[in-house]
Amino acid sequence: NAGVTQTPKFQVLKTGQSMTLQCAQDMNHEYMSWYRQDPGMGLRLIHYSVGAGITDQGEVPNGYNVSRSTTEDFPLRLLSAAPSQTSVYFCASSYSRKQRNYEQYFGPGTRLTVT
Amino acid sequence: GEDVEQSLFLSVREGDSSVINCTYTDSSSTYLYWYKQEPGAGLQLLTYIFSNMDMKQDQRLTVLLNKKDKHLSLRIADTQTGDSAIYFCAEKGPRGSTLGRLYFGRGTQLTVWP
Repeated sequence: NAGVTQTPKFQVLKTGQSMTLQCAQDMNHEYMSWYRQDPGMGLRLIHYSVGAGITDQGEVPNGYNVSRSTTEDFPLRLLSAAPSQTSVYFCASSYSRKQRNYEQYFGPGTRLTVT
Repeated sequence: GEDVEQSLFLSVREGDSSVINCTYTDSSSTYLYWYKQEPGAGLQLLTYIFSNMDMKQDQRLTVLLNKKDKHLSLRIADTQTGDSAIYFCAEKGPRGSTLGRLYFGRGTQLTVWP
């Protein structure tokens, strides 16, 4: 299993540009989520999904969109990038009915800089 | 399950024991976790404890759970420079909450001095 994969690893955007951060998992997990990590702020939940076709907002959803068309993929879209969105973004997945394991598995992160 | 508290920094000398503390708010939490994040990497599960246990030991790691005080601790024996990382405490949400969602503390930056 590849686990949770994220692309790209690094990205620089100009203010106002849009882009999509990709996330995929091959563990048949139902739950997927996006966090951002900023110094001293810990992990803040942006959006999450409990299955294909179902998404919901986390603590800091503004400026981001998500969709979940398949169990495996959970892309995060920045609609119009702002310097305040400079951060490290982590995708995580967990829980399958077969395993009933609640551990979250994390991707390696995407380091985004908005100038 | 939304207020998991940790101190932000801990410094120890190599060879000493480290103790990282965490308090959580939901007394019905069934699983509590410790994650480790090394520089430039994602979070990896270090260990977890089920709520019907008071202690769990795994090599140099000892997890203590005090359900009455809602206090969780992680002790690292014989701390090495390779243990320098950020350690996150997390709890599973209460019954009826979103399956798969965990609630994380802000993380404790452990620095180990040679």
